Amino acid sequence: DGGITQSPKYLFRKEGQNVTLSCEQNLNHDAMYWYRQDPGQGLRLIYYSQIVNDFQKGDIAEGYSVSREKKESFPLTVTSAQKNPTAFYLCASIPRDRGSNQPQHFGDGTRLSIL
Amino acid sequence: AQSVTQLDSQVPVFEEAPVELRCNYSSSVSVYLFWYVQYPNQGLQLLLKYLSGSTLVKGINGFEAEFNKSQTSFHLRKPSVHISDTAEYFCAVSDQNYGQNFVFGPGTRLSVLP
Repeated sequence: DGGITQSPKYLFRKEGQNVTLSCEQNLNHDAMYWYRQDPGQGLRLIYYSQIVNDFQKGDIAEGYSVSREKKESFPLTVTSAQKNPTAFYLCASIPRDRGSNQPQHFGDGTRLSIL
Repeated sequence: AQSVTQLDSQVPVFEEAPVELRCNYSSSVSVYLFWYVQYPNQGLQLLLKYLSGSTLVKGINGFEAEFNKSQTSFHLRKPSVHISDTAEYFCAVSDQNYGQNFVFGPGTRLSVLP
């Protein structure tokens, strides 16, 4: 079955360290998204990409970076500049070429904590 | 720009009782509306969506929602809940003109009590 795979499920970061969260999809979707989820705040958009080699900042991009070298992959790096990285991170995708009324498909998330 | 309000952060309800989770949105353009469910430590799963047509939308797990354009609401209902419905529920909108970007509400935690 097609889907979105996020890894690892749990991740710990030391002070001053960059960490990378993986997001892979085999749905042949064009658009991919990264969200941060904090208790009581819903989902906040970090970055999104509508096509390979192109991506845009979301509402809370500071301290994060992404790349989109392949259609299937959209890794998120949490840099040392992100001072409060503890959160649940969700990756999502939709098929861009099927019109604008498609819901997003989500991975199962990565929980990042500070050591 | 769009915004989504879910007035109830937590809703406790007894098993087999009905439940309504409220969602109101604000937008200067026409929108598509979605309800998602999230179980602990998992991603979001689509419950139902409103795109056009009938304002009463039926989804999975016995849930339904009604779109009310005049009140800009999209409330989620279930006539009889089960313990397994305990989860967090998110309302979301995307604008019809450029439906790639989604705005999510803060979520409502539904707790079904035995």
